[in-house]
Amino acid sequence: DAGVTQSPTHLIKTRGQQVTLRCSPKSGHDTVSWYQQALGQGPQFIFQYYEEEERQRGNFPDRFSGHQFPNYSSELNVNALLLGDSALYLCASSPGTGFSTDTQYFGPGTRLTVL
Amino acid sequence: AQSVSQHNHHVILSEAASLELGCNYSYGGTVNLFWYVQYPGQHLQLLLKYFSGDPLVKGIKGFEAEFIKSKFSFNLRKPSVQWSDTAEYFCAVNTGRLAFGKGNQVVVIP
Repeated sequence: DAGVTQSPTHLIKTRGQQVTLRCSPKSGHDTVSWYQQALGQGPQFIFQYYEEEERQRGNFPDRFSGHQFPNYSSELNVNALLLGDSALYLCASSPGTGFSTDTQYFGPGTRLTVL
Repeated sequence: AQSVSQHNHHVILSEAASLELGCNYSYGGTVNLFWYVQYPGQHLQLLLKYFSGDPLVKGIKGFEAEFIKSKFSFNLRKPSVQWSDTAEYFCAVNTGRLAFGKGNQVVVIP
């Protein structure tokens, strides 16, 4: 049973560029959440997708957008990259619709470096 | 919005020593609490969780945590650590979305 997978593993971009990160949830999970983890910090919630819709959003600008596909996989897009967007981007999947009792399972992350 | 505080961000101890990591949260409603662990080079893994019932919960690898509602705390403990417990530990509160603390970097010296 495959866990949560993310691609690519590492990515280097320059300021102003756009980036797309991808996530495939754990088998049987239909909810995907994205987090940003800066160096030395805990993960910060970006947004959550369920049934191809953004259900919840954290305190991130509109430059951060996402999408969920019918097979429950998801993409995170970041436009107009800033140096401060350099971080580890984590995807987590869970069964359910964002209930607080859902346990979220994390992927290995994508390390984004913005130069 | 909910917030989670973890203290003593860097902890260094010897094998067989006892470990306790503090976690305090601020949220007025019903909370569900988690501890996640991130071993070097690995992804975040669930260590244990509390939803309801017995406030003392046991997780993997000999870890346990106690929920004290009056203190808004969910402290993690292990009586005797091993070198393999070297990792970063994160406390998290779930109210529909996970809010994480800043983490505790724990180094166990053989």
